[in-house]
Amino acid sequence: DAKTTQPPSMDCAEGRAANLPCNHSTISGNEYVYWYRQIHSQGPQYIIHGLKNNETNEMASLIITEDRKSSTLILPHATLRDTAVYYCIVRKTGANNLFFGTGTRLTVIP
Amino acid sequence: SAVISQKPSRDICQRGTSLTIQCQVDSQVTMMFWYRQQPGQSLTLIATANQGSEATYESGFVIDKFPISRPNLTFSTLTVSNMSPEDSSIYLCSVAAGTNYGYTFGSGTRLTVV
Repeated sequence: DAKTTQPPSMDCAEGRAANLPCNHSTISGNEYVYWYRQIHSQGPQYIIHGLKNNETNEMASLIITEDRKSSTLILPHATLRDTAVYYCIVRKTGANNLFFGTGTRLTVIP
Repeated sequence: SAVISQKPSRDICQRGTSLTIQCQVDSQVTMMFWYRQQPGQSLTLIATANQGSEATYESGFVIDKFPISRPNLTFSTLTVSNMSPEDSSIYLCSVAAGTNYGYTFGSGTRLTVV
C-alpha cells in the first residue's frame, strides 16, 4: 500500500472548517483513499473514502487532487467532539486490511 | 454497519501470564482483523483471521505469542501469551463492513502488564 504523509498536529477553532491534508504521492490507480478518526480511548471510526472523485457525506468532504497525489479531508463546522487523531490510509482494491500511518492530531479549540 | 463487542475492555495482568480477548460481531463476516496500538502510537496489524483456516500473521508477530481462534463467522479470540510489560497496549479487532462503510472497529482492550 502507498505510504501517506500527514502533519502531526493541527488546531481549529470551533465552528470553523477543519482542513486536514494528506500526501500520497506514490498512490497507484487501483488504490482508494480512506479517512478514519480515533477519539481518545475508542476504536477508529470510518469517515469517508474515495478513488478519484470528490466525495461528501454527513460527516465530511473528501477532496482528491486530479493527479491523486494528495487529498484533503474537510470537516465543515468543527465541534469540540471532533477532537481526535485523523488517519489517512491508502488501500488497494480488494485488499483485506488497513495499514495505519501516524495520523494528524486535530484539536478543536473553543 | 457491523457492531462489535470486545471483552474485556481493560485488564491488568502479571508478567508471564496469558490473556484471551474476545471479539463478537453481530453479523457473519468472512475476515476479522486484530490490531495492536502501543502507547502513543498508531495501529499495527497483528493478523487476519479467517473462519476455518489458520490466521495469517504480519511480520513481527508469531502464532506462539498471539494465538488466534476463529470458530465461527461471528466470533474470534486473540490470546496474548507469556506477557511482559512490553505487551502493554490496546488490542482491537476489526471487520470489513462493506464497501460503503469501510472497516468497523471494536472499542479495544486496554492491557497493562505489571
